[in-house]
Amino acid sequence: AQSVTQLDSQVPVFEEAPVELRCNYSSSVSVYLFWYVQYPNQGLQLLLKYLSGSTLVKGINGFEAEFNKSQTSFHLRKPSVHISDTAEYFCAVSGQGAQKLVFGQGTRLTINP
Amino acid sequence: EAGVTQSPTHLIKTRGQQATLRCSPISGHTSVYWYQQALGLGLQFLLWYDEGEERNRGNFPPRFSGRQFPNYSSELNVNALELEDSALYLCASSLAGTSGMGEQFFGPGTRLTVL
Repeated sequence: AQSVTQLDSQVPVFEEAPVELRCNYSSSVSVYLFWYVQYPNQGLQLLLKYLSGSTLVKGINGFEAEFNKSQTSFHLRKPSVHISDTAEYFCAVSGQGAQKLVFGQGTRLTINP
Repeated sequence: EAGVTQSPTHLIKTRGQQATLRCSPISGHTSVYWYQQALGLGLQFLLWYDEGEERNRGNFPPRFSGRQFPNYSSELNVNALELEDSALYLCASSLAGTSGMGEQFFGPGTRLTVL
């Protein structure tokens, strides 16, 4: 079984500042890792994914994440945030193969001008 | 290419009634997943259908059920509605098996309100 912990429920940052959203996972098998974003009153949009290979993954909207197997982490980063990045961000894990996604509790990113 | 679509957008029911939610996957996707996003409970896996069969089920009572049709669209039925069933229900689709690489594409959701 897999589990995901997002260490921060809320992260406030100023516009144009860097941000890191933390995610740790646990699993007894090899996994795929994902970050999704949810804007208010909308569904989930995939930001980026780690399947295998390079541990640094680049996604949409300038986001990137680094897979660290020894620390079982998959933290999301952006060097300079914009007001439009205000949303809830979910880290998720799935076992390899078409299986269910297990989500973290989400991190609400608030950008202040 | 059309994404995952869900209907209705909003649904208001009273306790004890039944709700039916619908989902159409991306063309070519054979797996459909249902998730519940309830306030304070996060995103919880409900059901997974592939090729018309239920493949996995989350920790929900039997009054949550569904089916997948030959065209891979899916229905989620919730019987004997309770107040705590109020939530956003998200449908996702993916390619089948390992070719899906675990990636799921989500629809906009159906917001169910139980009064």
